[in-house]
Amino acid sequence: DGGITQSPKYLFRKEGQNVTLSCEQNLNHDAMYWYRQDPGQGLRLIYYSQIVNDFQKGDIAEGYSVSREKKESFPLTVTSAQKNPTAFYLCASRAKGGLGYSNQPQHFGDGTRLSIL
Amino acid sequence: EDQVTQSPEALRLQEGESSSLNCSYTVSGLRGLFWYRQDPGKGPEFLFTLYSAGEEKEKERLKATLTKKESFLHITAPKPEDSATYLCAVQTSGYSTLTFGKGTMLLVSP
Repeated sequence: DGGITQSPKYLFRKEGQNVTLSCEQNLNHDAMYWYRQDPGQGLRLIYYSQIVNDFQKGDIAEGYSVSREKKESFPLTVTSAQKNPTAFYLCASRAKGGLGYSNQPQHFGDGTRLSIL
Repeated sequence: EDQVTQSPEALRLQEGESSSLNCSYTVSGLRGLFWYRQDPGKGPEFLFTLYSAGEEKEKERLKATLTKKESFLHITAPKPEDSATYLCAVQTSGYSTLTFGKGTMLLVSP
């Protein structure tokens, strides 16, 4: 079955530590996205990528980094500079249709919950 | 700046009690409005895309409608399994990103 796989499901970070969240998709989608979700908040965009080896900052990129070396993979690193990393992190992907992206929904993985030790 | 506001924040219904969720938006050039369902601890699941005012889409007990300023998600005779958070998102011209509302948490009691 095609889909988006996020791992791990739960992750704990120590002070001063960088951690990397994995996101893999086998949908052959061009664009991939990372969101952060806090209780009572909507999804906030961290980074997105529309093509391999290129990515753009979203609304809350500070303290995060990404790479897009393969079409299928878009890992997110939460660096020690992110002082409030506790949240639910969601990865999404989207196909590019005949009208660009506007007629294609984003599809989501089941998230990684990151907590501070 | 694009804005999406969902109301109410939370809604409690009895099984069979129909109601509507609202998503109002302020954007420059709407290209699409998306509805998602999110269960606790899971990622959002796509429900509908609406493109132009007057458009309607249905799926089982759910019906989504769109005007120039807002969208409604009508839930007819809900069941407990419809309990979830419903998210609305908009895409504006020239961008591949979406702007999400904060969601409406729906609880349907038997």
